[in-house]
Amino acid sequence: AQSVTQLGSHVSVSEGALVLLRCNYSSSVPPYLFWYVQYPNQGLQLLLKYTSAATLVKGINGFEAEFKKSETSFHLTKPSAHMSDAAEYFCAVSDRSSASKIIFGSGTRLSIRP
Amino acid sequence: EAQVTQNPRYLITVTGKKLTVTCSQNMNHEYMSWYRQDPGLGLRQIYYSMNVEVTDKGDVPEGYKVSRKEKRNFPLILESPSPNQTSLYFCASSNSFYYYEQYFGPGTRLTVT
Repeated sequence: AQSVTQLGSHVSVSEGALVLLRCNYSSSVPPYLFWYVQYPNQGLQLLLKYTSAATLVKGINGFEAEFKKSETSFHLTKPSAHMSDAAEYFCAVSDRSSASKIIFGSGTRLSIRP
Repeated sequence: EAQVTQNPRYLITVTGKKLTVTCSQNMNHEYMSWYRQDPGLGLRQIYYSMNVEVTDKGDVPEGYKVSRKEKRNFPLILESPSPNQTSLYFCASSNSFYYYEQYFGPGTRLTVT
């Protein structure tokens, strides 16, 4: 069965510092992988997705993630944090053969220190 | 404006009193889904629908019902709510080709006492 693990329920960085949010997946075949972001009091929105092309994926707001099959990882990064990046981030995985199933991680809350 | 709407946004009710949370989308999406979000557990899928009159169970369907009589609407029904169904609920929709690019509603915070 597929699963996704996000390391660290809360990450705090200073404004301008590197953001690194970790995600590891478990799947018997290379899956589709996603990062969603949830701003306070809002629903989730898709940040970026990996569906089989380039392993380095760029998303909105300067975020990017790299699919590493050997490490079964899909970590999210941003070179320089902004205050507006404060939100909860969810890694998610989907089986290529299933058109309906997305498994979400438990989420990582990102705080930005001035 | 393309959007998913949910009503009500906040609801406090008592154990056993039937309730319905409505969900509507204006993007002509085939796929719709309900999730519940609980601290430390992320989002868990309750039910989903691939199209009108086609629904299926997600990971945590117990205590919930859904229907899909129209493409735009996908209500979530709690026939006899219990305190363990206190949670934040999200409806989402997507088209059938890019099902993973889900559009989420603003959420419904339900408290069952």
